[in-house]
Parts: sequence; C-alpha cells; structure tokens
Amino acid sequence: EAGVAQSPRYKIIEKRQSVAFWCNPISGHATLYWYQQILGQGPKLLIQFQNNGVVDDSQLPKDRFSAERLKGVDSTLKIQPAKLEDSAVYLCASSLVLQQLETQYFGPGTRLLVL
Amino acid sequence: SQQGEEDPQALSIQEGENATMNCSYKTSINNLQWYRQNSGRGLVHLILIRSNEREKHSGRLRVTLDTSKKSSSLLITASRAADTASYFCATALIQGAQKLVFGQGTRLTINP
Repeated sequence: EAGVAQSPRYKIIEKRQSVAFWCNPISGHATLYWYQQILGQGPKLLIQFQNNGVVDDSQLPKDRFSAERLKGVDSTLKIQPAKLEDSAVYLCASSLVLQQLETQYFGPGTRLLVL
Repeated sequence: SQQGEEDPQALSIQEGENATMNCSYKTSINNLQWYRQNSGRGLVHLILIRSNEREKHSGRLRVTLDTSKKSSSLLITASRAADTASYFCATALIQGAQKLVFGQGTRLTINP
C-alpha cells in the first residue's frame, strides 16, 4: 500500500513570495490533514478535510494561508505572501473517517525555509 | 498552551538500556497515542491507549495511562540505535474539536 505522498520535499523562498505544497493521501482515506511543525515543536493542525469539505480550519491563518481538496483526493496548501515565521515543516496526513481520532498516516513533509 | 507536554525534552541513553518518556495533559481524553518521528521524516503511529485502559504492550513498547493524574508513559525496552528519534504523545479530546493535539516531543538518542 502506497503511503502519503508530498511534494516538494524542500523549498526555499524569500519573504513575501508565494509557495504551494501538494499532498496525495492514501487511497480510500477520506480524511486529510495539514499540519505545521516548527523546529523543536510538535505538529499543529492547520486544516482538516473530510472528502472535499473543511471540518476544522480554526488554526489556519486565513489572511495568508489557503487550502483546497478538489474532488476529495489530492490537496494543495498555499502560502501567499510568506513570512519568516512560516519557516517550518508542513506535514500532510490522512486517515479513514472512522479512525480519524485514532491512526493517522503521515507523509514525509515539505521543509520550507523563508529568507 | 499545549494539551500534552512531554518530559524529558531530551533523553540520551546507552544501547540496551530502557527509555521512559512521560506525557501529561490537561483535559479529559478519548484516547492517547504515541508517534515516532525520525529526523527529516514524517510521524509514524506507534500505539494507542484508550481512556478505559491502563496499560498496553506492542513489541518492545509499553504504554501506561493514569487518567486520574492525566498522564501517560512510554517505555522502550532494550533500546537500539534505530530507536533514536523524537517521540510525541497526541491526545484525542472528548469535548470540542474532533482532532489530535500533539505535545512538543521527547528527543531520544541511543548511544552505541
């Protein structure tokens, strides 16, 4: 079974530029999450989708971050414009709907550095 | 503030020794999970313990849960160099948003 795929793995941009990350969840997983993990901290949930609907985006900085999950499969997370404090690893995870509070499967993450 | 807080923040032991990490949380939970993260990689689910369970085993892992103290511990027995990683507890809350809340993690180093 293929795992959660993310791209790119690394990205370096200058502040005020825009950037987009892509995630392909495990086949059949209706629930998809984007987490932000700042160095030395645990992951923080940014947004949760169930199919193509948003379940929770309470911690998403909506003035600069946006995410979509068209057709309920792949998802993209965008930052525009980026700030220095956005430097972090962006993790995508997926789970079965009935296991969304149990086992989550994580991708390798995208490491973003904003200069 | 974080729902889960791990202790210690960093732990360094010799290969073959046991490693114990602790997690404390603030509000009532549905379950508590432990994840491992190797450097530069995503998180891997290790074990889940439900609020009505007190102890659970999986291979060299043992997890305990004390809901009266709102704390959990993860014990790794007979540690190996490959166990070097960061370990995070995550709590699934009973009330409020249906999501996992992760602690800040314990960085474990196994010295050969």
